[in-house]
Amino acid sequence: NAGVMQNPRHLVRRRGQEARLRCSPMKGHSHVYWYRQLPEEGLKFMVYLQKENIIDESGMPKERFSAEFPKEGPSILRIQQVVRGDSAAYFCASSLVRDPGTGEQYFGPGTRLTVT
Amino acid sequence: QQQVKQSPQSLIVQKGGISIINCAYENTAFDYFPWYQQFPGKGPALLIAIRPDVSEKKEGRFTISFNKSAKQFSLHIMDSQPGDSATYFCAASRSGAQKLVFGQGTRLTINP
Repeated sequence: NAGVMQNPRHLVRRRGQEARLRCSPMKGHSHVYWYRQLPEEGLKFMVYLQKENIIDESGMPKERFSAEFPKEGPSILRIQQVVRGDSAAYFCASSLVRDPGTGEQYFGPGTRLTVT
Repeated sequence: QQQVKQSPQSLIVQKGGISIINCAYENTAFDYFPWYQQFPGKGPALLIAIRPDVSEKKEGRFTISFNKSAKQFSLHIMDSQPGDSATYFCAASRSGAQKLVFGQGTRLTINP
């Protein structure tokens, strides 16, 4: 059973460009979470999605950031008009069930975004 | 607002020694406390987790101690090995919420 897959692993964008980060959850998992990790910091929750629905986006910046998890295909985290402060590692996690206390969140290897 | 505070930021332990990492939380609604291990270039992986109905949980060389009244929990790594060198994150969540709230991380180095 393949783990959570993320691509690309490294992404370089110039200021003002768009970044698209993809996440394929583990087989059978319908719950997807995105976290951001700034250098030397812990992971910060961004958004929780189920198929075709955004359930909790309380950690998402109000502008430029969006996420989707379509019925078919991977979950996408989209960052428009990137700025240097967006440089970070973005991790996707998936789980079989909703509650992290009963269903472990499995993390992907992350996408390291560098904005130049 | 930092809901989960982790210390120390970095830790160096000799091989065979005990590594201790501490976390404190603020939200009394938290009821699930996992520890994650992260190697460079990799995503975090669940190491061990505890619920507040027990004060200690042990899995192999890894033990979580939990103090509900003090709102603190800690990770103990017994007989630390060079392969344990990694960054460790504590986290917390509450029933009904999906997100994990992470501590700032501890970079652990085990010297051979």
